[in-house]
Amino acid sequence: NAGVTQTPKFQVLKTGQSMTLQCAQDMNHNSMYWYRQDPGMGLRLIYYSASEGTTDKGEVPNGYNVSRLNKREFSLRLESAAPSQTSVYFCASRSQSSNQPQHFGDGTRLSIL
Amino acid sequence: QQQVKQSPQSLIVQKGGISIINCAYENTAFDYFPWYQQFPGKGPALLIAIRPDVSEKKEGRFTISFNKSAKQFSLHIMDSQPGDSATYFCAARVGNFNKFYFGSGTKLNVKP
Repeated sequence: NAGVTQTPKFQVLKTGQSMTLQCAQDMNHNSMYWYRQDPGMGLRLIYYSASEGTTDKGEVPNGYNVSRLNKREFSLRLESAAPSQTSVYFCASRSQSSNQPQHFGDGTRLSIL
Repeated sequence: QQQVKQSPQSLIVQKGGISIINCAYENTAFDYFPWYQQFPGKGPALLIAIRPDVSEKKEGRFTISFNKSAKQFSLHIMDSQPGDSATYFCAARVGNFNKFYFGSGTKLNVKP
């Protein structure tokens, strides 16, 4: 059971470079999410997709774009990376049935120099 | 402005003791309150969750206490074990929008 798979696990970028973080889930979930985790700030929602074909902004969307490629895949793109985007990024998915939890991947650790 | 405020930031407990982590919120649209456990290098995993129409939920050594009028909820870990050492996050969901807000996390260290 793979659950939520994120690639890559680690990445180092230079300021101004672009990058796409990949996320795929095999649980047939409708909803998918991207979070960033920074020390002392918990997880902050960047973007989410309630269902295939829809995306919405979360708390901290600036500097990011997303694509819900199909029901399984939800990618996060940094068009011009900045040092402030150094973080651990988590993807999650969730069934839309009532009171179902989010299932998280193991994260992508991104450093921007 | 953080929608869910969590305390303490870190907690040290002796083996066999009780660990207590507190969260508070203001948004009355929140309708589901999960707690997540995260080990280093891993993503958060659901530990236990509660709805606001219930004042307490217990699963094994883990209990959520919920005070709707005070807009507070807490996680109690009874008989804490070194294997419970992890970071714990509370969260709250805005139901209609399928969005979750997380607390800032509590790093728990259970000493043998």
